[in-house]
Amino acid sequence: DVKVTQSSRYLVKRTGEKVFLECVQDMDHENMFWYRQDPGLGLRLIYFSYDVKMKEKGDIPEGYSVSREKKERFSLILESASTNQTSMYLCASRTGQDYGYTFGSGTRLTVV
Amino acid sequence: AQSVTQLDSQVPVFEEAPVELRCNYSSSVSVYLFWYVQYPNQGLQLLLKYLSGSTLVKGINGFEAEFNKSQTSFHLRKPSVHISDTAEYFCAVRFMNTGFQKLVFGTGTRLLVSP
Repeated sequence: DVKVTQSSRYLVKRTGEKVFLECVQDMDHENMFWYRQDPGLGLRLIYFSYDVKMKEKGDIPEGYSVSREKKERFSLILESASTNQTSMYLCASRTGQDYGYTFGSGTRLTVV
Repeated sequence: AQSVTQLDSQVPVFEEAPVELRCNYSSSVSVYLFWYVQYPNQGLQLLLKYLSGSTLVKGINGFEAEFNKSQTSFHLRKPSVHISDTAEYFCAVRFMNTGFQKLVFGTGTRLLVSP
């Protein structure tokens, strides 16, 4: 079975901290995505990457950056965490030629 | 901007009753269509997809969906729901006139199945 693994299920961080969310896929996929999920807003795209060291802004990139040094790993970085970044973060990888995604289990981040 | 609309934020239903979760999208361009399910504290899991061919698509757990091009809709149905179907359901669309393979998601519909 293919897998997308997010390193943490729950995180609690303080305002102003630099936060790293890690995502690893074992499918050799080129395309990876970071979404945040909030009640009533659905999934909103933060950043995506279509190859190593290649990245593009999504719909809500402010306050975030990403890193893709290796094909299997896509990291989301909160440069200075704020309380409005408290959310569920979902990583996904593109599945084959049919444009569907495989999702990780999510990281629920609380910024206090 | 292209968008996906799930008008019902919550749908309560009794066990063994039929259910329909609605999804509409904004554009008449070619699309790929998906439904995902999210159980509490988990990621999203693919239920079914439409890429081409028959407009009636069958997925896992007894769900099916029908693509209606003229109405730009892709509604999800199940003839008889179980308690275990309680979850959040997301419709997603790949608009084929955009330059990258990203999906646009609806805001989700929470299905609540009670005994």
